Amino acid sequence: GENVEQHPSTLSVQEGDSAVIKCTYSDSASNYFPWYKQELGKRPQLIIDIRSNVGEKKDQRIAVTLNKTAKHFSLHITETQPEDSAVYFCAARDSSYKLIFGSGTRLLVRP
Amino acid sequence: GAVVSQHPSRVICKSGTSVKIECRSLDFQATTMFWYRQFPKQSLMLMATSNEGSKATYEQGVEKDKFLINHASLTLSTLTVTSAHPEDSSFYICSASGTDDGYTFGSGTRLTVV
Repeated sequence: GENVEQHPSTLSVQEGDSAVIKCTYSDSASNYFPWYKQELGKRPQLIIDIRSNVGEKKDQRIAVTLNKTAKHFSLHITETQPEDSAVYFCAARDSSYKLIFGSGTRLLVRP
Repeated sequence: GAVVSQHPSRVICKSGTSVKIECRSLDFQATTMFWYRQFPKQSLMLMATSNEGSKATYEQGVEKDKFLINHASLTLSTLTVTSAHPEDSSFYICSASGTDDGYTFGSGTRLTVV
């Protein structure tokens, strides 16, 4: 089945700097890659997603890139703000439509 | 937008009792429901997948007789944790998928078994 690895597990950046989180997946049939932000005790919140027919997608300060050949995708947050502090999860949808999550990255944006 | 209502949000039960968690899709038909479990500071781990009117498919290592899933209608799926023990204490969350190809998460249930 699909296996998703995520790095780093923790990331601390200064406010205004950029943050990059990377994920790899194993199932070449996976075709949908969402990113979620989760605050403590809350449901995951979709922040951006990308499909396998696209290499890059941007939404204001957030961008995601996908390299299908290497089977990895990354989240880029620019001009980070303290309210960006949360746990971020990548996920991959496998051929049976299951959404498999990475291990998570705890992002801390220092004021 | 699509909304999934999950209840209860928190539950405390005694060891050996059963607990039922409900997820309702309020404004769309949930053809597939995914159930996840999340331990503190860990990721969401898929427990099982259920399609309306069919038996659930469980992930490896998840006991189907302990975690009973019912998906009898396109708007309601339930997860019953039977004979709960302290190690079952966790955050349980459902995710519904309909015809629009998206995933809508419930708000989660914090289960504490004492």
